[in-house]
Amino acid sequence: EAQVTQNPRYLITVTGKKLTVTCSQNMNHEYMSWYRQDPGLGLRQIYYSMNVEVTDKGDVPEGYKVSRKEKRNFPLILESPSPNQTSLYFCASSLIHRGPYGYTFGSGTRLTVV
Amino acid sequence: KNEVEQSPQNLTAQEGEFITINCSYSVGISALHWLQQHPGGGIVSLFMLSSGKKKHGRLIATINIQEKHSSLHITASHPRDSAVYICAVTNFGNEKLTFGTGTRLTIIP
Repeated sequence: EAQVTQNPRYLITVTGKKLTVTCSQNMNHEYMSWYRQDPGLGLRQIYYSMNVEVTDKGDVPEGYKVSRKEKRNFPLILESPSPNQTSLYFCASSLIHRGPYGYTFGSGTRLTVV
Repeated sequence: KNEVEQSPQNLTAQEGEFITINCSYSVGISALHWLQQHPGGGIVSLFMLSSGKKKHGRLIATINIQEKHSSLHITASHPRDSAVYICAVTNFGNEKLTFGTGTRLTIIP
């Protein structure tokens, strides 16, 4: 089944403890991206990647890192999480960005930083 | 002012009604997207538009590039259409995706 898989679905962690949220797609998509969703603010883009080894900042990159060493994986790294990073996170991929293709989203990761 | 504005924020309608959700944007774009998010949280991509009109089942999306405006229409609405509908634009030149805050649609049987 074609899908974007995010793990974990739920995570509670403490301030300052490094964590990684994984994202993997099995569709050979070139474009992958991370978003966070907060009440009243909607979805905001954190980072995106047009292809392997190519990443760019979105609107809210502070406090996050990403890497794209392989086409299928695009992990989101929080080196020192803080409570303001408590949010619902989504990963998405697309075959060719700006082409006639939409996005496939992961199921989301609900992160709580205490 | 947000770069992407949606209206209305909330919409309640009776089953069978024709639904229109609007999206206006203020930046140059290369594409506009309509997304659907159900109460469970999952997000589904409905349409990607750069011009004209697209139709998928009971859903129709239109875009007017000159007026920087898009509409999502639902014909013969059904309770299963109840969801949050989100407009997003791909900013021309920098590939960033900017989202509206969504329209919460509730269809009453």
